[in-house]
Amino acid sequence: QVQLVQSGAEVKKPGASVKVSCKATGYPFSPYFLHWVRQAPGQGPEWMGRINPHNGATIIPQKFQHRVTMTCDASVTTAHLVFIWLTSDDAAVYWCAREAEGGYSLDHWGQGTLVTVSS
Amino acid sequence: DIHLTQSPSPLSASVGDRITITCRADQTIHSYLNWYQRRAGEAPKLLIYGASSLASGVPLRFSGSGYGTDFTLTISGLQPEDSAMYYCQQSSGYPWTFGQGTQVE
Repeated sequence: QVQLVQSGAEVKKPGASVKVSCKATGYPFSPYFLHWVRQAPGQGPEWMGRINPHNGATIIPQKFQHRVTMTCDASVTTAHLVFIWLTSDDAAVYWCAREAEGGYSLDHWGQGTLVTVSS
Repeated sequence: DIHLTQSPSPLSASVGDRITITCRADQTIHSYLNWYQRRAGEAPKLLIYGASSLASGVPLRFSGSGYGTDFTLTISGLQPEDSAMYYCQQSSGYPWTFGQGTQVE
C-alpha cells in the first residue's frame, strides 16, 4: 500500500535551517508529484510547493522561494524539504503529500513532522 | 492568490444529523475544489476531489457539490468519528490554497 514516512520531530533555533525527509513506498515513485504542506497552530494548512520526482522540477510560491529547497532522490524514493533562516513563525507541522493519479488533489499524506523553533 | 472562505465554524451537531459546510472562492475555480478531514493528531485525509467525487474508502455519507465559486460538503448521518476539522482546498491555480477550516463538534 502507498506509504509516506517522514523524518522525526526537530527543534531548531531562530536563524537555523531544517531538513525534512519523506520516504515513499508502495507505488512507482517518479510519475507522481510530491507536495509539501505545513500547518501552524490555530491556522489553516499552507501549501509550500511541489516537486516532480521525474525531473526535479519544482513549483514554489514566491513567499517561500528564497528559503525553501525541494529535492528528490529517486534511487531511494525519498523527497526532501530544506527550509533556511527559520523564525518562530515557521513553527508548524510539515507534511509531504502525493498528488493523486488524476492530478489536482492530495490522496496520500505522510504522518507529519513537527518543527519547533525556539531560542 | 485565490482565497477560500469556509463557514460556519465551529459547527455543533448531534449523531445522526445532516450537516453542511460551505466554501466560497473569491474567483472562479471551476470544479478544482477538494475537501479534507483532519482528526486531532492525524494527517489530513482526502474526502472529496473535483468538487463532487468521493475519494477511495470514504463513507457514502460524505458528499460534495458546487461549481465556480460556491461549494458545499455534506455529511448525512453524522457519526462520532466525524468529529474533526474540515478544510476545502483549491487546485485551479498555483499557489494551491486552503480554507481556514471548519471544526465539527
